[in-house]
Amino acid sequence: GAGVSQSPSNKVTEKGKDVELRCDPISGHTALYWYRQRLGQGLEFLIYFQGNSAPDKSGLPSDRFSAERTGESVSTLTIQRTQQEDSAVYLCASSPRSTRYGYTFGSGTRLTVV
Amino acid sequence: AQSVTQPDIHITVSEGASLELRCNYSYGATPYLFWYVQSPGQGLQLLLKYFSGDTLVQGIKGFEAEFKRSQSSFNLRKPSVHWSDAAEYFCAVGAEGGYQKVTFGIGTKLQVIP
Repeated sequence: GAGVSQSPSNKVTEKGKDVELRCDPISGHTALYWYRQRLGQGLEFLIYFQGNSAPDKSGLPSDRFSAERTGESVSTLTIQRTQQEDSAVYLCASSPRSTRYGYTFGSGTRLTVV
Repeated sequence: AQSVTQPDIHITVSEGASLELRCNYSYGATPYLFWYVQSPGQGLQLLLKYFSGDTLVQGIKGFEAEFKRSQSSFNLRKPSVHWSDAAEYFCAVGAEGGYQKVTFGIGTKLQVIP
């Protein structure tokens, strides 16, 4: 598509429930990234995909977080047994293979755990 | 490991005044450098980028930034700020190579007063 699409844009969930966040990158972008942005904070790296492999998962905060990607297309970030501290905006970005072009970000999914 | 420092968390300027947002990076080789802007409730938009060549780069919305290797800096400037420039600004550093991760600073929130 023309831009990076994330869904849903907003999600309210009860503590303990599982959630799935979706990212549809720009067509042809081989690299895909997930970041978390807590209120008033900077961007916290979660995971990076090159194609459908994830060379760097070092930012995933716990084993409740997982992500997968289908080929060079859609990615899903799953948070199991959500906690209140998971409340944040989850941003997805994609880029061509070279970083020199920068990332294109989606508008994010605002997750609220109540 | 690469890192980015944005020493000013919050800056207030008058409309029409000039603006300079500071960014210092740490990286062993020639970095790729970026500035992003995030308006309230939005994703991040790429303002400008540097990866080689002329050290003064022009971006969108009248912004420019200068890469100074000797000072490890990449400061963002605008000669005359408009009220619509109020947003959060993120500096980021990346590199070519096997791993494409870009590291973001914590952001500088810009307030514009009449």
